Amino acid sequence: DSGVTQTPKHLITATGQRVTLRCSPRSGDLSVYWYQQSLDQGLQFLIQYYNGEERAKGNILERFSAQQFPDLHSELNLSSLELGDSALYFCASSVAGYSYNEQFFGPGTRLTVL
Amino acid sequence: AQSVSQHNHHVILSEAASLELGCNYSYGGTVNLFWYVQYPGQHLQLLLKYFSGDPLVKGIKGFEAEFIKSKFSFNLRKPSVQWSDTAEYFCAVTQAGTALIFGKGTTLSVSS
Repeated sequence: DSGVTQTPKHLITATGQRVTLRCSPRSGDLSVYWYQQSLDQGLQFLIQYYNGEERAKGNILERFSAQQFPDLHSELNLSSLELGDSALYFCASSVAGYSYNEQFFGPGTRLTVL
Repeated sequence: AQSVSQHNHHVILSEAASLELGCNYSYGGTVNLFWYVQYPGQHLQLLLKYFSGDPLVKGIKGFEAEFIKSKFSFNLRKPSVQWSDTAEYFCAVTQAGTALIFGKGTTLSVSS
C-alpha cells in the first residue's frame, strides 16, 4: 500500500458524459500528479499540482481539467468523453514538487467509455 | 521531443535465469533516472533510482541498474529471477523542471 488512495476503482460511462476521479495523496505529500495509461500510448503524464497550484502540464486534453483542494486531495474531471478516453488513470504524490522526488502511485481508476 | 525507449516489449524467462531490460533516453544534460515495477493487480512501485554518483545503483529485491551516460542508457539487471518477479517494468526519466517521462514498459513473465 503506497498510501495514495483513488476512487472509484472502476467507472463505466457513456460517450459524451462527464466524470470526476478523486485522489488523496500520502500524508504530508504536497504534490499530486495525474497520469493516463493506455495500451497504445503507455503511461502519459497529464498534470501536476503542488500545494494547490498547477505546477506542470503534460498531454492533457482541453476536455480534461484538474484541481487540488486545500486539504491537498485532487480531482481530475473528464468531460465530453470519447471512446478513446478509456484508460487507467493513475494519481501519484510526492513530498515536494521537484523532478527528483520519488512519486508514490495510487492503485488507479479504470475508466471504460461505452 | 524527449523520449524513453524500452527495447523489449515482452520477455519470457525461466526461474534462475539472468535478466537485463534495456532503457534508452533521448535527453542531453543531467537526468534523473528511475525504474518502476507494477506487479499484477498492484500499483506502480519504485525499484531504484539514479540521481548522481556511482552509476551502478542497487534497488529492492536484488535489482540493479547501470547508468551509462555515453550510451544514454539505464539498463535494469537481476542475476537470477524468481517467479514473483513477473510484472511490468517501466523506465522513467526526468530533468530539472520537466515531468517524469515513462517508457512503454516491458512485461516480464517468469515460469517456475
